Amino acid sequence: DQQVKQNSPSLSVQEGRISILNCDYTNSMFDYFLWYKKYPAEGPTFLISISSIKDKNEDGRFTVFLNKSAKHLSLHIVPSQPGDSAVYFCAASAYIRGGQLTFGSGTQLTVLP
Amino acid sequence: DTEVTQTPKHLVMGMTNKKSLKCEQHMGHRAMYWYKQKAKKPPELMFVYSYEKLSINESVPSRFSPECPNSSLLNLHLHALQPEDSALYLCASSQVGSVQETQYFGPGTRLLVL
Repeated sequence: DQQVKQNSPSLSVQEGRISILNCDYTNSMFDYFLWYKKYPAEGPTFLISISSIKDKNEDGRFTVFLNKSAKHLSLHIVPSQPGDSAVYFCAASAYIRGGQLTFGSGTQLTVLP
Repeated sequence: DTEVTQTPKHLVMGMTNKKSLKCEQHMGHRAMYWYKQKAKKPPELMFVYSYEKLSINESVPSRFSPECPNSSLLNLHLHALQPEDSALYLCASSQVGSVQETQYFGPGTRLLVL
C-alpha cells in the first residue's frame, strides 16, 4: 500500500516558468512533509518542509502548499532553472511512527533552456 | 553545516566477501539511519539508531549488520550478500529521531554484488 504517491513520473518545464510537482497521501496521521531533490548517484538533498499546522511554506524560489482536506501537497519552483533538473521526492512522517519518513516514488523534473 | 559523509563511494564485492560501509556526521545529531535505494525507486528504511542504540530494524536480513560505535559514526557490515542486494545505500541523520525532524542524507555508497 503506497501511502505517499507522486503520480507524475516526469515533468518538463521551460526555463523561467513555474514548475509544479504534486504529491498525494492517504494516511491522515502524517503531520510533517518534506521535499528532497536528488541528482543521479547522489543522496537526496533536503529542500523544504511543512508542518500540518500550516498550509504554505516559502523559501526563496521554492514554495510548498499543503491541502490537508484533500491530502495533497505541491512544490512550486519559480522561476525554474536548468540546474533544478533532478528527481524530486515527497516524504511524509507521522507522530505515531516516531517521525520515520515514507517516501513517494519521485518525479523527474527536466527544465529546458 | 548539514554534511553527512559516506565511504566508500563505490563498492564491488563477491557473494562470499565481508565488507563495511561507513557513515559520519558532525552535526551533533543523535539519530542515524540506513536506507537502501534501488534504481527509479524511493529510499527504503533499513535501520534507525537513536542515541547509539538500535531502535528500528525494518526486517532486514541478517547479512546486513549495523553498528553505531559512537554518536558520529554509523557502520553497515555486509556479509554473504546476494546480487539483488546491489543498490545505493544511503545514510542519514537527524537531531534526535523525533517527530517533525528533517533527515539529512549522505551521498550514498553504490554497491554492486557479483
